[in-house]
Amino acid sequence: DAGVTQSPTHLIKTRGQQVTLRCSPKSGHDTVSWYQQALGQGPQFIFQYYEEEERQRGNFPDRFSGHQFPNYSSELNVNALLLGDSALYLCASSLGGGTGYEQYFGPGTRLTVT
Amino acid sequence: AQSVAQPEDQVNVAEGNPLTVKCTYSVSGNPYLFWYVQYPNRGLQFLLKYITGDNLVKGSYGFEAEFNKSQTSFHLKKPSALVSDSALYFCAVRLKSYNNAGNMLTFGGGTRLMVKP
Repeated sequence: DAGVTQSPTHLIKTRGQQVTLRCSPKSGHDTVSWYQQALGQGPQFIFQYYEEEERQRGNFPDRFSGHQFPNYSSELNVNALLLGDSALYLCASSLGGGTGYEQYFGPGTRLTVT
Repeated sequence: AQSVAQPEDQVNVAEGNPLTVKCTYSVSGNPYLFWYVQYPNRGLQFLLKYITGDNLVKGSYGFEAEFNKSQTSFHLKKPSALVSDSALYFCAVRLKSYNNAGNMLTFGGGTRLMVKP
């Protein structure tokens, strides 16, 4: 039973560029959430996708956007990268939109913006 | 709004001794509470959750947590610490929901647990 997978593992980008991160949920899960974890801090909620729609959004600018595909996988896109976007980006999956309990996390994508 | 506080940046304990990692929360309504553990260069691993019922919740690897509604706390405990328990621990909260409005988690800042031989 595959857990949550994310790609790529590491990524280095330059300020102003755009980046796309990918996530495949745990088998049987239909809801994907994205979190940003800056160094030395707890994860911060970016947004959540269920039934291919954004259901909840945290306090992140419109430069952060996402998509969910019919197979429940998801992408996180960040435009006009800033140095402050450097972080570990975590994808989490769960079941049933807001009715699910615990979320299962992937290993993360380490984004470095130079 | 919901928030989580983990008052200790680091907890040091000797192997074999009991450990406690503290967590308090604030939420406007009934909470779901969670503990996660993070090892270096890894994602978060689910340890345990409180949904309803018994205030003492048992989870993975011998960890347990006690929900205290009056003190709005959800402290993580283990009777006998292992060196391999050394990691970063996160407490998280979300509101109960009965529809598909989302289940975002709000995390505390994390507590580093150091277990020394």
